[in-house]
Parts: sequence; structure tokens; C-alpha cells
Amino acid sequence: AQKITQTQPGMFVQEKEAVTLDCTYDTSDQSYGLFWYKQPSSGEMIFLIYQGSYDEQNATEGRYSLNFQKARKSANLVISASQLGDSAMYFCAMSRINFGNEKLTFGTGTRLTIIP
Amino acid sequence: DADVTQTPRNRITKTGKRIMLECSQTKGHDRMYWYRQDPGLGLRLIYYSFDVKDINKGEISDGYSVSRQAQAKFSLSLESAIPNQTALYFCATSDPDVGGVGEQYFGPGTRLTVT
Repeated sequence: AQKITQTQPGMFVQEKEAVTLDCTYDTSDQSYGLFWYKQPSSGEMIFLIYQGSYDEQNATEGRYSLNFQKARKSANLVISASQLGDSAMYFCAMSRINFGNEKLTFGTGTRLTIIP
Repeated sequence: DADVTQTPRNRITKTGKRIMLECSQTKGHDRMYWYRQDPGLGLRLIYYSFDVKDINKGEISDGYSVSRQAQAKFSLSLESAIPNQTALYFCATSDPDVGGVGEQYFGPGTRLTVT
């Protein structure tokens, strides 16, 4: 079984600072994918970034990067130069690649608040 | 127009009533999913479907049923709603065969309250 742990229920960060959201995972699979989603107060789920277990380089998408440490089973999201619009819930999730990501397992989320 | 739509967006119903939540997508994806979100629990998978002939139970399927009427439509039913089914329900789609990473695209959610 797969499990995602997000230990930070809430975080407050000053605008323009970088922020790291923690995510650790547990799986016995060799091939898996790690995802981060953003959920603003409006409720929709927005895909941010993906890291495959065999990807050697950390994924980056604009101001988002994923700090992937396979041996430690961690997949932290780093947001550089935070903006007020980054205030939202953030969910880490994982899936088994060989099964087409049909069973996406989510963590409980971190509520990020950016302070002006 | 949104790629994944859900109706209704909000619904209040009484215990014991049957209710259907509908999901439509224009992304052309074969795979569709239903999740529920409860505070502090993240999203949990209820059912998923790989195509119109394929339906699979997820983590928390008890008390729910689904129907895949077409590639673009996937409905979730609560045959006899109970208060602990009060939650935010999401429909999602994916298609890992189009060269992407198989990320799931979510609808806007349906907020269901069972009184």
C-alpha cells in the first residue's frame, strides 16, 4: 500500500520568501510518480508538478520545484519568491506508474498562507 | 468552457434520499475518477473507470455506485444518503497515453450536504 505524509497542517510565509512544503511517502513499488496539487479557496484542484521515481533530475515548473530525495522517500515542494496568490491548500500525491496512475493516493494537505 | 464539469455544484439533501452527481469532460480522456474530500483527510478515491466497460472500486466505495454512460460521462450515485457522506466530491480525468505524465484533471467539485 502507498502512503503520503504531510506533517505541516499550516504554514505562514512572508511574501517574496521561498517556502518548502514537506512530503514523505511510503511504497514498496519501484516505479511510481509523485504529484503536487494546489487547491485555492475556490476549491478546484490544480496540477503543479510531477516527479517520476526514475527521474534523475528534480522537476521544475516555473517557480515550483520538487526536491526529490529517493533514499529518504521525500518529495518536498519548493515555491520560490512566494506571492499572495500562492495562498492555498497544497496536496502531495503518488501513484504506481505501471498501472497508469489510476490509484492516486493523497496526503492530508498543507494550508499555506502568504503574508503581505 | 471548463474541460471537466460537475453538476450540481452544491446540493443539500435529506437522509435516505437518492442523489446523483454528474460529471462530463471534453478532454477526450478514457479514464475517469470520483473522489471525496473531507477536512483533514485529503482526497480519497471512490470509483474509477478506464473506459465505458470498465468500472473499479476505489478505497471507499461502500454506499456509492457509478455509471459510465459514455466516454465523456461518469455519474456517482448515493442510493440512500447518510450524513457522513457530507463532503466535497471531485470528478477527475486522465489519459497517460497522450505523452504526458498521467496527471489527473479535476472538475470544480460538488459540495454535498446530507441533513
